[in-house]
Amino acid sequence: EVQLVESGGGLVKPGGSLRLSCAASGFTFYNYDMNWVRQAPGKGLEWVSSISSTTRYIYYADSVKGRFTISRDNAKNSLYLQMNSLRAEDTAVYYCARVTNSGYDSWGQGTLVTVSS
Amino acid sequence: SYELTQPPSVSVSPGQTASITCSGDKLGDKFASWYQQKPGQSPVLVIYQDSKRPSGIPERFSGSNSENTATLTISGTQAMDEADYYCQAWDSNTSVFGGGTQLTVL
Repeated sequence: EVQLVESGGGLVKPGGSLRLSCAASGFTFYNYDMNWVRQAPGKGLEWVSSISSTTRYIYYADSVKGRFTISRDNAKNSLYLQMNSLRAEDTAVYYCARVTNSGYDSWGQGTLVTVSS
Repeated sequence: SYELTQPPSVSVSPGQTASITCSGDKLGDKFASWYQQKPGQSPVLVIYQDSKRPSGIPERFSGSNSENTATLTISGTQAMDEADYYCQAWDSNTSVFGGGTQLTVL
């Protein structure tokens, strides 16, 4: 069974940093591209970042470019999102999601990031 | 930047057919996916590559995509289908979601 488990969310002050992790199991992690998608409270889904299976291709939404860094450790079956210079508008549930030709076929349960003083 | 537009809400009576649209420039040239999200839960893929259903998704869910509009159709809508629905497509290496449609079954 495919499982994605996010962790690392919490309360952080504006301008602060946070590192999210996503532990993958039940599939061959290094074969799949992975994404982070977020959802602000009461709002819709917003794509944040993508990383290819070999880390060769990395993309960011304009809203986080220069502040967030996506990475992965295929030996540890883990995906990461380093978030710096956090703003109130970054407050959201952050999901990691597996990417296939079928779309986002697996999602984690999400981890809540709250940016507030 | 590329945008996908959905109606904020759609209402349907139980047993009837619900249609949710997603509009974007030349969307028919891309693959559209649809996600269902119930309150407090993670999104679930219900349609991919415009019209294909993942295993475990009921046959009442179907999709189409042509020109500038993708459509999610739920035939014989059930109370359990009440949820938010999001369309999604890829454009120039970025993933784009529609704003979401709240489906009410009443």
